[in-house]
This record gives sequence, structure tokens and C-alpha cells, in this order.
Amino acid sequence: DTEVTQTPKHLVMGMTNKKSLKCEQHMGHRAMYWYKQKAKKPPELMFVYSYEKLSINESVPSRFSPECPNSSLLNLHLHALQPEDSALYLCASSLRGSPLHFGNGTRLTVT
Amino acid sequence: DQQVKQNSPSLSVQEGRISILNCDYTNSMFDYFLWYKKYPAEGPTFLISISSIKDKNEDGRFTVFLNKSAKHLSLHIVPSQPGDSAVYFCAGNAGNNRKLIWGLGTSLAVNP
Repeated sequence: DTEVTQTPKHLVMGMTNKKSLKCEQHMGHRAMYWYKQKAKKPPELMFVYSYEKLSINESVPSRFSPECPNSSLLNLHLHALQPEDSALYLCASSLRGSPLHFGNGTRLTVT
Repeated sequence: DQQVKQNSPSLSVQEGRISILNCDYTNSMFDYFLWYKKYPAEGPTFLISISSIKDKNEDGRFTVFLNKSAKHLSLHIVPSQPGDSAVYFCAGNAGNNRKLIWGLGTSLAVNP
């Protein structure tokens, strides 16, 4: 069982929809991450929050909007996505200097 | 520029034998390396890591070797089991920052 919980597991949305991905961890990790993974590719970093502040934005388009309401929760708000944004979206958390713990991801399909 | 390279996209091994997965890197600032395993429809799972001050780290059936002069590391799995069939990613990190640099992965198939 993963200690990083992501919901929903699957999401299908149209290009005009607004949806949110959610991530939760209760391991006391103060860094939380959003990654995007396409088939047969490694995870691609999108955002990093450290102590609830956005510390890294890898030049992600503004149609992706992260939010960290508290140290246990991480959201990714989606709006006006394109079909090429279809991918597995992974949340991870970590203590400083320790390996990342990943959730099982949300499989997003944009139609 | 691919700073972490896993040159074998796939590897097939017989159950009980040794699996050796290789990884090369170009960034001499990397001081920490990790291996992750990924099953389909799941997130990556941390397997084993090694600091650049060491040349070997062992955890059960998994051993990672680091050759800094060659900028090469390898993951040995012995004995290999069918449940080890997965995609294995090598990743490097420099200066304890939050960004891992990932290889493209090697798909391991362990045949019964």
C-alpha cells in the first residue's frame, strides 16, 4: 500500500472542463511534488512545494495550477487542457535528503 | 542533453539468475543516485540508493555499484524473481536539491 494517496485514479475531461487532482500524505514530509509521466518515459517534474511554498515550477503552462493548502495536502487544478496533456500524473513527497515516495497516480485523459 | 543514460531499453533474464541493469551519467556534480522500480499502473517505488562517497550499497537481493571514474553505476539483482519484472529507472541528484534527473528506464522481464 502506498502512503501517498491520490484521487481520482482515473479522470476523463473535455478541453473546456475544470477539474482537480488531489494528493494526501501523513508521513510528516514537508516537500511535495507533482510529476507527469507519459508512456515509456521517465517521470517529468512539474512543481515542488517545500514547507507549503512553491519552490520549483518547471515552466509548466498556466492551465496547470498547483495548490498546497497544508503540509499534508497537494492539489493540481486543471483548466482548458489539451489532448497532449493526457498522461499519468504522479504526486510524491519526501523528507529533505531522502528518497521520494510516490502515489499511484491519476490517469488523465483529455478528450 | 541526457545527463543520465540507460542504454538498454529492455533486458530478459531467467528466474534465479543475476540481473544487471546499467546506468551512465555525465554530470560530475551528481552526488547521490537512486534506483526506482515501476509496475504498470502504479507509481515508482524507491528501491536502493548510493552516495557518491561509496562504491557499493547492498540491500537484500539488490546491490548497487558506483564507479565514479567511469561515471557508471549498475544495479544487481540476485537471484532474480518473476516479481522483479518491471521498469527500472536510474536517477541522479546534485547538491541535495529537489530535482532528480532520470534515465529513460530499462524494462526487465524475469522468465520462470
